[in-house]
Amino acid sequence: AQSVSQHNHHVILSEAASLELGCNYSYGGTVNLFWYVQYPGQHLQLLLKYFSGDPLVKGIKGFEAEFIKSKFSFNLRKPSVQWSDTAEYFCAVTYSGAGSYQLTFGKGTKLSVIP
Amino acid sequence: GAVVSQHPSRVICKSGTSVKIECRSLDFQATTMFWYRQFPKKSLMLMATSNEGSKATYEQGVEKDKFLINHASLTLSTLTVTSAHPEDSSFYICSAPVAGVADTQYFGPGTRLTVL
Repeated sequence: AQSVSQHNHHVILSEAASLELGCNYSYGGTVNLFWYVQYPGQHLQLLLKYFSGDPLVKGIKGFEAEFIKSKFSFNLRKPSVQWSDTAEYFCAVTYSGAGSYQLTFGKGTKLSVIP
Repeated sequence: GAVVSQHPSRVICKSGTSVKIECRSLDFQATTMFWYRQFPKKSLMLMATSNEGSKATYEQGVEKDKFLINHASLTLSTLTVTSAHPEDSSFYICSAPVAGVADTQYFGPGTRLTVL
């Protein structure tokens, strides 16, 4: 079965530090890739998505992600984190062949930013 | 952006009772909605796809008689946990795609179910 792996369960950073959260998926075919964020007490929100084209995708709040097909990866980055970035981050994938809206999620990475 | 609501946000019930959770798309119509279950420190697991006007499609391992899904209208899907047991305690989240916005779903805030 297709799967999504997020390498870090909990990341703790100081403000202004750079962030990179890893995400790998298992499917070798055509995929659409997403990063969702869940702030404390709030619902999941879309940060960014990749369907095709430029593999470097820019999202909201200064986040970006790079799709590297050869590595089956879609890592999330931010050059300088803020306290308000404290949240849980989920990588997700939709696969061609499944229903186009059926998301497969990673287990999530909790980010704690220390002021 | 599109808004999806869930009600209730939290529910505590006794073992053996049934609990209904509502998922509404507030400013758009959704012929399809998805129900997820989120365990602590685990990813969201798709339980079922709710289809307006037809039966829900359940993922492997999900008991359809235990988790009843009804997509009553283009803006409402309900999940009923029947004869709930403590192991059903979890965070249940619904989502809905917006027509014309390919592969993008909007998520509800979730419902925390605790079965005593």
